[in-house]
Amino acid sequence: DVKVTQSSRYLVKRTGEKVFLECVQDMDHENMFWYRQDPGLGLRLIYFSYDVKMKEKGDIPEGYSVSREKKERFSLILESASTNQTSMYLCASSWAGGYNEQFFGPGTRLTVL
Amino acid sequence: GEDVEQSLFLSVREGDSSVINCTYTDSSSTYLYWYKQEPGAGLQLLTYIFSNMDMKQDQRLTVLLNKKDKHLSLRIADTQTGDSAIYFCAEAYGATNKLIFGTGTLLAVQP
Repeated sequence: DVKVTQSSRYLVKRTGEKVFLECVQDMDHENMFWYRQDPGLGLRLIYFSYDVKMKEKGDIPEGYSVSREKKERFSLILESASTNQTSMYLCASSWAGGYNEQFFGPGTRLTVL
Repeated sequence: GEDVEQSLFLSVREGDSSVINCTYTDSSSTYLYWYKQEPGAGLQLLTYIFSNMDMKQDQRLTVLLNKKDKHLSLRIADTQTGDSAIYFCAEAYGATNKLIFGTGTLLAVQP
């Protein structure tokens, strides 16, 4: 079974702190994604990576950066957390190619005080 | 830009059929997906349909695709309380590997 794990289920941080969210997948997937999920807005793509050290901005990249140094690991970084970044963060991975089912981690609920 | 729309809420009684609707925008999407999110969990793929199909049936699930109207629906027969969840439709975005998700429909099943 494909497994996507995220480093924390719940996280509480203070405004201005640097926050790291980690995601690891075990299926040798080329693609990895970070989304945030807010009620009534669905899932919005923050960043996407299609290979090691490669990244592409999604729909809402402002205030976020990412790192992919190894194929299995994709990190989301909030350089200076703000209260409007309080949200559920979901990581996903998929193979490259036509059928692009994404496999999701359990999510990290981040609260910024 | 691309937009995938769903109604936000649906309430049904246990044993009834549920129909969740979705409209999408990219007519070149090869695959369209339905995901389920149970409380406190990530998303799980429920089913998918290839764009050259009109219908796909998988046990209690029926997916209908109307490409002309860019309309996708998910029918759940004999809905159970365990089907209570948020359901997302998603389309593949052009030639990329990105998916565009709808806003999600919260399905509440009353006993």
